[in-house]
Amino acid sequence: AQSVSQHNHHVILSEAASLELGCNYSYGGTVNLFWYVQYPGQHLQLLLKYFSGDPLVKGIKGFEAEFIKSKFSFNLRKPSVQWSDTAEYFCAVIPFSGGYNKLIFGAGTRLAVHP
Amino acid sequence: DGGITQSPKYLFRKEGQNVTLSCEQNLNHDAMYWYRQDPGQGLRLIYYSQIVNDFQKGDIAEGYSVSREKKESFPLTVTSAQKNPTAFYLCASNEGGASGEQFFGPGTRLTVL
Repeated sequence: AQSVSQHNHHVILSEAASLELGCNYSYGGTVNLFWYVQYPGQHLQLLLKYFSGDPLVKGIKGFEAEFIKSKFSFNLRKPSVQWSDTAEYFCAVIPFSGGYNKLIFGAGTRLAVHP
Repeated sequence: DGGITQSPKYLFRKEGQNVTLSCEQNLNHDAMYWYRQDPGQGLRLIYYSQIVNDFQKGDIAEGYSVSREKKESFPLTVTSAQKNPTAFYLCASNEGGASGEQFFGPGTRLTVL
């Protein structure tokens, strides 16, 4: 079955530290890739997405992610985190396998940024 | 403002009772979805509807039911057959085709006592 793995369940950083959250998926065909973020008390919202083209995609609030097809990965990065980045981050994948194309979520990574 | 509303935000029910969670969208989206979010498990798809009067089971449909009588509404009923109903429930929508971004509501936290 197709699945999405997020390597870290909890990450704690100090402000200005660099962030990289890992995401791997298990599907060899065409995929659409997403990172969603859930700030405390807020809706789940889209951070960035990759459908095709340049594998390095930029999202809101200084986040970026790189699609490496050979590694089935879509890691999320930010050079310098802020306290306001404290949130839960979800990687999600749509594998195009014929029929209904379902959005599959990873388990999420809780990021806590300390001032 | 366009968006998705879910009500109520918090819901408490006694074991054995059915409960219906509301989801309304004014984005004119064809497709709507219900997810369940549990700590450490991400979001799991319960039911989805790609068009009015049609819906399909997701990965964890047992103990749940839905209806899609209107384009803007997709209520979820958690029945007494659901063995572990306490969870955070999220409704989402998009234009359809399931290949693009989904827009999420604020969620309903259901606690069964």
